[in-house]
Amino acid sequence: DVKVTQSSRYLVKRTGEKVFLECVQDMDHENMFWYRQDPGLGLRLIYFSYDVKMKEKGDIPEGYSVSREKKERFSLILESASTNQTSMYLCASSLGQANYEQYFGPGTRLTVT
Amino acid sequence: GENVEQHPSTLSVQEGDSAVIKCTYSDSASNYFPWYKQELGKRPQLIIDIRSNVGEKKDQRIAVTLNKTAKHFSLHITETQPEDSAVYFCAAIIIQGAQKLVFGQGTRLTINP
Repeated sequence: DVKVTQSSRYLVKRTGEKVFLECVQDMDHENMFWYRQDPGLGLRLIYFSYDVKMKEKGDIPEGYSVSREKKERFSLILESASTNQTSMYLCASSLGQANYEQYFGPGTRLTVT
Repeated sequence: GENVEQHPSTLSVQEGDSAVIKCTYSDSASNYFPWYKQELGKRPQLIIDIRSNVGEKKDQRIAVTLNKTAKHFSLHITETQPEDSAVYFCAAIIIQGAQKLVFGQGTRLTINP
């Protein structure tokens, strides 16, 4: 079974703080993704990575950055958290090479006060 | 870029009846269309997918149909049960460059006993 884990289920941070969300997958997947989930807006892609040290912007990258130093780990960074970044953050991974199925982590509910 | 529209946003059906959720996409090059189910408090999980070389795929009570000419695809759930209550997301693959999914806005399905 593919396992995708995220560092925290719930996180509360103050405006202006730097926030790190970590995601780890154990199936040697090539691709990793960070989504933001808000009611009525579906899953919106923030950033994704198709190889170690490679990253591409998704649809809503503003205010976020990412890091992928090892194949199994993909980090999302909020450089200076703002209240409009309060949301559910979901990480996912996929094998790649025409294997498109994405496996999701349990999510991190981030509240910025 | 790819755009995926999903309807309806909410759907309520009587237990035992059928439910249909519809999605349209804009990029005619898309060739993979998955459906994810997200139960309350849980992560999204793939329930069925279809590739563009087939028009229909069935798995027990769940089926997906694809009309490439019209650029729309649908999820059909027959003989609905209480455990079908969840949020359902459709998606379409973008294959230019790195592979990524574009998700619809989601449909909250409620099965009434």
